[in-house]
Amino acid sequence: AQSVTQPDIHITVSEGASLELRCNYSYGATPYLFWYVQSPGQGLQLLLKYFSGDTLVQGIKGFEAEFKRSQSSFNLRKPSVHWSDAAEYFCAVGAANAGGTSYGKLTFGQGTILTVHP
Amino acid sequence: DGGITQSPKYLFRKEGQNVTLSCEQNLNHDAMYWYRQDPGQGLRLIYYSQIVNDFQKGDIAEGYSVSREKKESFPLTVTSAQKNPTAFYLCAAGRDETHEQYFGPGTRLTVT
Repeated sequence: AQSVTQPDIHITVSEGASLELRCNYSYGATPYLFWYVQSPGQGLQLLLKYFSGDTLVQGIKGFEAEFKRSQSSFNLRKPSVHWSDAAEYFCAVGAANAGGTSYGKLTFGQGTILTVHP
Repeated sequence: DGGITQSPKYLFRKEGQNVTLSCEQNLNHDAMYWYRQDPGQGLRLIYYSQIVNDFQKGDIAEGYSVSREKKESFPLTVTSAQKNPTAFYLCAAGRDETHEQYFGPGTRLTVT
């Protein structure tokens, strides 16, 4: 079964600084990879996704992520963080089940809380 | 205005009562999902449905039930058998073939 690890529970950065949130996954084949963002008390918003092709994917709000198969990673980056980026970020992986079919299920990491200092 | 609606946003119940959380979508997606979110535990899948009149248990289905009579609707009932029902519940709809899911705003259930 697939799994997702977000090693950092909480990250603090200064406004204007660069950001990298780590995500490692465990899955035998090429996974479907996602990053979501959640503001307190709200639902999750899809930031970006990777299915195949170019390993550097661009998302909304100036975020990007790079798929590195050799490292089983899909880290999220932003060159310059804004105070409004403070939220919780979730990495998720989707994969086929044991029978080889896909039920669209996602496995989520535990989340990384981002705090932005002025 | 397309999207997923969940109601109510806050729900309070006494222990021993069943409660039903609403989820409606107008995205025309076949698949719908219910997740439970607890602090520090990410999202855990309760039930999912790939098509009308069909649904499967997720990782933590005990104490919950669902129905899928219409494509647009996927209500979740939290029964009195659920030992720790207080949580934030999220509904999603998506495309099976790409695993892409879109989430509603959530319902916070408090049982006392």
